[in-house]
Amino acid sequence: DTGVSQNPRHKITKRGQNVTFRCDPISEHNRLYWYRQTLGQGPEFLTYFQNEAQLEKSRLLSDRFSAERPKGSFSTLEIQRTEQGDSAMYLCASRDPPGGRVYGYTFGSGTRLTVV
Amino acid sequence: SQQGEEDPQALSIQEGENATMNCSYKTSINNLQWYRQNSGRGLVHLILIRSNEREKHSGRLRVTLDTSKKSSSLLITASRAADTASYFCAMAQTGANNLFFGTGTRLTVIP
Repeated sequence: DTGVSQNPRHKITKRGQNVTFRCDPISEHNRLYWYRQTLGQGPEFLTYFQNEAQLEKSRLLSDRFSAERPKGSFSTLEIQRTEQGDSAMYLCASRDPPGGRVYGYTFGSGTRLTVV
Repeated sequence: SQQGEEDPQALSIQEGENATMNCSYKTSINNLQWYRQNSGRGLVHLILIRSNEREKHSGRLRVTLDTSKKSSSLLITASRAADTASYFCAMAQTGANNLFFGTGTRLTVIP
């Protein structure tokens, strides 16, 4: 593995459409995170997986958002009925389990969503 | 919501000068991390300092942590044009499973 991979890099969609993003974490990392970042701001936490279990969801994650991590490997983030306010960079990160040598998060390059 | 604030919001310096960025946070932490983000890209982990540590070095980076004041600083010495990026502090809050990020400092190093 060379890092965390996110696809697509860019997505332009019309308001009301559904979109799905994919994240492939570093294979030995069992913890996976989704963040959202708007222009000029720091990343805001959306949700967290440990293996396939979604253990935490932010209040930012409205009922139009859903995330999955089947089999504890890759993860998908789906946004239904997109709104212009959903336009942002969506970042995925993974990290070692506790006791691992490295505690910092490894981030992907993000998916930039533009809702028109 | 942002759990940390960084100061200054933007910093412009000449190549070779030192750059100092400050971070203030609100809650109890296990550790504090600094990340760099180049424009339109993901974040890169730079350094982590645990709550029982006061200072840490890594290459040209020096991080300090004052848990009594709930503040941290990142010093980049002998800056280079390639250091131009946004820098974020991130707090691993006690009892939380995720990082909370600050608002960021935009650093511009002029060649």
